[in-house]
Amino acid sequence: GAGVSQSPSNKVTEKGKDVELRCDPISGHTALYWYRQSLGQGLEFLIYFQGNSAPDKSGLPSDRFSAERTGGSVSTLTIQRTQQEDSAVYLCASSGRGASGETQYFGPGTRLLVL
Amino acid sequence: AQSVSQHNHHVILSEAASLELGCNYSYGGTVNLFWYVQYPGQHLQLLLKYFSGDPLVKGIKGFEAEFIKSKFSFNLRKPSVQWSDTAEYFCAVNAGRGSTLGRLYFGRGTQLTVWP
Repeated sequence: GAGVSQSPSNKVTEKGKDVELRCDPISGHTALYWYRQSLGQGLEFLIYFQGNSAPDKSGLPSDRFSAERTGGSVSTLTIQRTQQEDSAVYLCASSGRGASGETQYFGPGTRLLVL
Repeated sequence: AQSVSQHNHHVILSEAASLELGCNYSYGGTVNLFWYVQYPGQHLQLLLKYFSGDPLVKGIKGFEAEFIKSKFSFNLRKPSVQWSDTAEYFCAVNAGRGSTLGRLYFGRGTQLTVWP
């Protein structure tokens, strides 16, 4: 596609439920990133996929968070047993090769609200 | 770990005023520096970036930024702002040459409001 797409655009869930957020990167981009944007915390890195390499999971805040990337393209971020502090906008970005200095192109985000 | 500080949380200006948004980072090695902008209701998009070479970088919409290595700074400037510049501005950094890590470290953002 022309840009990074994410779905759903908004998600409201109850505390304790699992949620899945989807990201479709720009076609041909091998690097994919997830970030979280929350009030008072700014933009935080969560996880990074680069080609077939093992992902950099160092930003995941707890073991309730996981992500996978199938076929080197679409990625799913899963949050298990959601908590109210998980409420945030989850942003996905992609870049050509994942090299430092490359421009990352961001999607519109998924706004998650945990009640 | 790298960190990025943006000094101003909210800046309010009148049209035609000059703008300077501060950004400092902490990292001892070579870095790449970025300014991203998020207009109301829109995606984050790149405003400009410094990779190497001339430390004065020019971006879209008349913005520029100067990398001052000795001060670990990458301040964003525009000589005359417009109402359409109202947005949130994020400074970001990632590791430089030799690294394949592309993760960005972001500042907390500066909300710019321009009054017509």
